[in-house]
Amino acid sequence: DAGITQSPRHKVTETGTPVTLRCHQTENHRYMYWYRQDPGHGLRLIHYSYGVKDTDKGEVSDGYSVSRSKTEDFLLTLESATSSQTSVYFCAISLGSGSNNEQFFGPGTRLTVL
Amino acid sequence: AQTVTQSQPEMSVQEAETVTLSCTYDTSESDYYLFWYKQPPSRQMILVIRQEAYKQQNATENRFSVNFQKAAKSFSLKISDSQLGDAAMYFCAYRSIYNTDKLIFGTGTRLQVFP
Repeated sequence: DAGITQSPRHKVTETGTPVTLRCHQTENHRYMYWYRQDPGHGLRLIHYSYGVKDTDKGEVSDGYSVSRSKTEDFLLTLESATSSQTSVYFCAISLGSGSNNEQFFGPGTRLTVL
Repeated sequence: AQTVTQSQPEMSVQEAETVTLSCTYDTSESDYYLFWYKQPPSRQMILVIRQEAYKQQNATENRFSVNFQKAAKSFSLKISDSQLGDAAMYFCAYRSIYNTDKLIFGTGTRLQVFP
């Protein structure tokens, strides 16, 4: 258990509404990541953070923004949710960018956009 | 760009038997890391095993072992003495040593274990 929690765990929302997912860690790790999981695609990186206020885009960042104002929290925001953003979202953390950069995952958030 | 391919959407095995899950990848890099993750019905992603490309010796973790063929860009997972609790989705993943921020995942293999 790497001390990662995600909230909410499940959410149903309507198209066009803003949604924020929260990832919280208790271990003070520098690197945090947001992935989405869809059938036939595995997990794909949305955004990641390498420190407070330091973020960068991943493979599927369109329609998403992130913020990290504290080491322990990494927020993923869908400014105007669309049905294509229905997915399971995973947060992950790692110790750093060195050779032992193994990623540990949170429990996931299932988001449904109607 | 690197890619990871898992060509077996589903596999099944009898309890106590051995099963091998396939993974191939494409990269122009010489050093990298490879991983197998397990995702049971609980959805939790669990790291099963990792392999450093510069190590010739295949990694093992209890009943789990890999067959790493660097020249063929193949990274298969062997599960010995399969147990009912091994039933899950298994994902192969690649990480560059240069771009250490990103894991590239395959599409997964669903493993069923029959008593």
